[in-house]
Amino acid sequence: KAGVTQTPRYLIKTRGQQVTLSCSPISGHRSVSWYQQTPGQGLQFLFEYFSETQRNKGNFPGRFSGRQFSNSRSEMNVSTLELGDSALYLCASRPGQGVMGLVGLGQETQYFGPGTRLLVL
Amino acid sequence: DQQVKQNSPSLSVQEGRISILNCDYTNSMFDYFLWYKKYPAEGPTFLISISSIKDKNEDGRFTVFLNKSAKHLSLHIVPSQPGDSAVYFCAAKGGSEKLVFGKGTKLTVNP
Repeated sequence: KAGVTQTPRYLIKTRGQQVTLSCSPISGHRSVSWYQQTPGQGLQFLFEYFSETQRNKGNFPGRFSGRQFSNSRSEMNVSTLELGDSALYLCASRPGQGVMGLVGLGQETQYFGPGTRLLVL
Repeated sequence: DQQVKQNSPSLSVQEGRISILNCDYTNSMFDYFLWYKKYPAEGPTFLISISSIKDKNEDGRFTVFLNKSAKHLSLHIVPSQPGDSAVYFCAAKGGSEKLVFGKGTKLTVNP
């Protein structure tokens, strides 16, 4: 199976602009999560989508938003960019619920894409 | 409030020796734990996981130990290889809640 793909891999924007990042999960995975990684801060959770619905949300301002499509692909949008938004944005997918809605351990493991490196000038 | 803590930002070991990476958590509702490895400019790669019903899980050179009473888990790599040099993240989850990551430990394996 192909892994999680993210586009674009690198992006340079200026303050005040908006940006949209895209993520294609592993085939068959229904859950997509987004994380922000900055030096010294580890991975900060942004949000998770499952079957086009946002299931969990991290502590980020409303400028950060996302959505998931019926094919499980997801997009993340950041409006009114600030210098502090410069980071590596990671997308991760996992199967989510299995057959008959059961959640086993195999449904919980997240697999990450290569990330999108965003630089805000 | 940091629910998952990796108190050692870095660790250096000799090739062939054991690497032990530690992780502490505070949320007693966590029931699933994972370790990821990350190289620069790449996404984290899943290594190994363990559920709260077990205290040990082994996969090749990697073993994860869970001590629920101490709210502590560790990752053992034996023997360590130079290619293991990376940042290792510990992560934990409870129920349908989000996955919570530690800030990572940078492992350097010296030839």
